[in-house]
Amino acid sequence: GAVVSQHPSWVICKSGTSVKIECRSLDFQATTMFWYRQFPKQSLMLMATSNEGSKATYEQGVEKDKFLINHASLTLSTLTVTSAHPEDSSFYICSARWQINYGYTFGSGTRLTVV
Amino acid sequence: GQQLNQSPQSMFIQEGEDVSMNCTSSSIFNTWLWYKQDPGEGPVLLIALYKAGELTSNGRLTAQFGITRKDSFLNISASIPSDVGIYFCAGPLLDAGGTSYGKLTFGQGTILTVHP
Repeated sequence: GAVVSQHPSWVICKSGTSVKIECRSLDFQATTMFWYRQFPKQSLMLMATSNEGSKATYEQGVEKDKFLINHASLTLSTLTVTSAHPEDSSFYICSARWQINYGYTFGSGTRLTVV
Repeated sequence: GQQLNQSPQSMFIQEGEDVSMNCTSSSIFNTWLWYKQDPGEGPVLLIALYKAGELTSNGRLTAQFGITRKDSFLNISASIPSDVGIYFCAGPLLDAGGTSYGKLTFGQGTILTVHP
C-alpha cells in the first residue's frame, strides 16, 4: 500500500518547450502532494505544495508561472515546466502523505534534460 | 533555523563494517525520518521516530531520536553491497507554535559506498 507513481521517469526536451510530469497516488487519496527538485549529489529541495482543489503554494524563489501545478483530483497532481531552459534540467520528485504521522511516500522521480 | 545538518557527507567502507551517521539541528523537531535513495529513484523510508529518546530498529538498521529533540542518528550494522546509496534524515517544518506545516526538510545526505 501507499504507492505513488510518477511519470515519465525521464524526458528530454528542447529549450522553450513545456514538459508535464504526473504524480498519482495509486491506493490512497492524497489531498496534499509535494514537489521537490534535486540536483546531482545534493539534497531534495521543496518547490511547492500541491493542494487538491485549490492553488498550490510555492516556496520562496520558485517561479509559480514557470512551474505550473495542478491538483484536480485526490489521486493526481501534475507539474508542468513551462518554456524550459537547460538550467531547469534536474531530477524532479513528488511525494504524498498517506498517514497523519508523517507517512510520506515518494515517487520514483523524473529526470528532465533540456537541450 | 529549521535546517538539518547531516554528517558525514560521504563514507567509504568495507563490506561487513558498521556505519553511523547523524543529523543535528538548532531547532526542535517532533519527528525524525530516515530515508535511503538509490540512484535515479525517489527516497524510501527506512525508519520513523516520533518520541524523544526513542530507539527503533529495522533489520540491520537502528535509529534514535535524541533526548534534546535536536538530533538523531542512524546505524547500519554488518554492511552489505546493496546498502550503497544516499541516506537522508528529514523532519517536518514547524511554525512558531510548534505545529507542523506538513512539509519536510531534508539533511544534506550521506553518500555511502560499500566495497565488497
